[in-house]
Amino acid sequence: KAGVTQTPRYLIKTRGQQVTLSCSPISGHRSVSWYQQTPGQGLQFLFEYFSETQRNKGNFPGRFSGRQFSNSRSEMNVSTLELGDSALYLCASSSERGALNEQFFGPGTRLTVL
Amino acid sequence: GENVEQHPSTLSVQEGDSAVIKCTYSDSASNYFPWYKQELGKRPQLIIDIRSNVGEKKDQRIAVTLNKTAKHFSLHITETQPEDSAVYFCAAPYSSASKIIFGSGTRLSIRP
Repeated sequence: KAGVTQTPRYLIKTRGQQVTLSCSPISGHRSVSWYQQTPGQGLQFLFEYFSETQRNKGNFPGRFSGRQFSNSRSEMNVSTLELGDSALYLCASSSERGALNEQFFGPGTRLTVL
Repeated sequence: GENVEQHPSTLSVQEGDSAVIKCTYSDSASNYFPWYKQELGKRPQLIIDIRSNVGEKKDQRIAVTLNKTAKHFSLHITETQPEDSAVYFCAAPYSSASKIIFGSGTRLSIRP
């Protein structure tokens, strides 16, 4: 099976812009979770989508949103970018709910906000 | 609150020695405890996990122990090798398994 893929791999944006990141899970996986990884904060949970429904959301402002399509592909959107949004954004897929099963991570999208 | 504490943040051991990383979780209902390894520039990968119905699980040089009463679990790596150098993350589900919380990570370095 092909692994989890994310596009784009690198992004440079300026403050105030918005960005959309994409994640394609392993075929057959219904759960896609998103994480923000920074050197000082580790892996911070953003949200999980399961069968096209957001199941939970982490402690991030409303500027961070997402969605999942019927083929389980997921997108994450960040509006009104701030300098502090610079990070590696990882998505992970699992066959069932991510909190109770192995998650397979994508390579990440490195977002730089100038 | 939702929290997984992980210690130590950095660990340096001589090649061949053992390494132990400890995590404490807050939600007493948590029942799944994975450990992920992230090598430099790569994505995190699961190396071992344990469910709450067992107290210990081993896979070759890696073992995880769970103490549900004390709400902590530990990763044990024996006979460490250079390829064990990485950042290790523990995790635990929170709030009726609605989300998973990761520890802050342990950077393990193996000295030759």
